[in-house]
Amino acid sequence: NAGVTQTPKFRVLKTGQSMTLLCAQDMNHEYMYWYRQDPGMGLRLIHYSVGEGTTAKGEVPDGYNVSRLKKQNFLLGLESAAPSQTSVYFCASSPGGLSYEQYFGPGTRLTVT
Amino acid sequence: AQRVTQPEKLLSVFKGAPVELKCNYSYSGSPELFWYVQYSRQRLQLLLRHISRESIKGFTADLNKGETSFHLKKPFAQEEDSAMYYCAPGSYNTDKLIFGTGTRLQVFP
Repeated sequence: NAGVTQTPKFRVLKTGQSMTLLCAQDMNHEYMYWYRQDPGMGLRLIHYSVGEGTTAKGEVPDGYNVSRLKKQNFLLGLESAAPSQTSVYFCASSPGGLSYEQYFGPGTRLTVT
Repeated sequence: AQRVTQPEKLLSVFKGAPVELKCNYSYSGSPELFWYVQYSRQRLQLLLRHISRESIKGFTADLNKGETSFHLKKPFAQEEDSAMYYCAPGSYNTDKLIFGTGTRLQVFP
């Protein structure tokens, strides 16, 4: 089992460019999450999904869109990147809601210039 | 509003010394509480959860509802405990976790 994988590992974008981050899990988990981690801020939830075809907003959703067309994949899109979106992005998955352990991916380091 | 505070950014101790990483939370209702850890060059992973009431790698965490705290403790620190530790309370009202800003533990030989 690969667990949770994220593509790409690193990316540099120019302001205004778009990109999609891919998260994949092979554990048949229902829930998937996208977080961003900034210095001194901890992890903040961007969007999450409680099952295939569903998405919901987290704490900091502005500037991002997500899709969960397949149960194993959770995509995070930046339509028009801004320097404020420079961050490390983590994907996680879990079998269920709050009381279940979240399994994290290795992270994607994104720099927007 | 739901909040979590980890007041120490960095905690440095010598091997064999006791360790306490502080976590205070502000939640309505009964929260679910977790500690996650990230070792160097590894992924963020679950260390322990309140509901399990177990000791993992010698660490324990006691929920103090009166003080709304969930401090992580270990009586004798080891060098391999050096890592970033995140307190993460969650509410069944929102079904989501909130992560603290983390405490970096450095254990010197």
